[in-house]
Amino acid sequence: EAGVTQSPTHLIKTRGQQATLRCSPISGHTSVYWYQQALGLGLQFLLWYDEGEERNRGNFPPRFSGRQFPNYSSELNVNALELEDSALYLCASSSLFRGRVGNTEAFFGQGTRLTVV
Amino acid sequence: AQSVTQPDIHITVSEGASLELRCNYSYGATPYLFWYVQSPGQGLQLLLKYFSGDTLVQGIKGFEAEFKRSQSSFNLRKPSVHWSDAAEYFCAVDPRRGSASKIIFGSGTRLSIRP
Repeated sequence: EAGVTQSPTHLIKTRGQQATLRCSPISGHTSVYWYQQALGLGLQFLLWYDEGEERNRGNFPPRFSGRQFPNYSSELNVNALELEDSALYLCASSSLFRGRVGNTEAFFGQGTRLTVV
Repeated sequence: AQSVTQPDIHITVSEGASLELRCNYSYGATPYLFWYVQSPGQGLQLLLKYFSGDTLVQGIKGFEAEFKRSQSSFNLRKPSVHWSDAAEYFCAVDPRRGSASKIIFGSGTRLSIRP
């Protein structure tokens, strides 16, 4: 069974441009999480989608946005790129406990390394 | 504020020695708890998880963790580390706060192995 796949693996953009990162969850998973892992800052929660809706959002500016498609894959868009947006962006998927609170464990992709120059 | 704390930024242990990585959380109710490992340049791999029941959980690669409600802790242990265990380890929490619940990560502990 395929795991979480992210594309591209590496992305180089110039300041002010837009970046689009993609994520395909594990088959059967409806939840997709996005995290930013900048050097020395750990994993910072960006966005959570489930069943096509944004369920929660981290403390990031509006130029970080995304969406989830009917097949549960997801895009993360970063507009007006800044140098400090350079980071590893990790996508994870999970399935919700149906009828209960909380998620099963999250499975992570290998990440997209975004470099802004 | 709700948080996950990994107090040790970097730990070095000798190969064959025992290991304990600390994790504390501050949430009202018992959350779901996880430990992940990240090798350089890679994504995260789940080592183990605690949802309920037995407070000592076994994971992959010989790791185990013990949930202690009284201390709000979920420390990761391994009796004898191998050079391949060198990586970054993240404790994570799902606070179980309803439909807006999200998985929150600690800042990570980098483990180095001394030959």
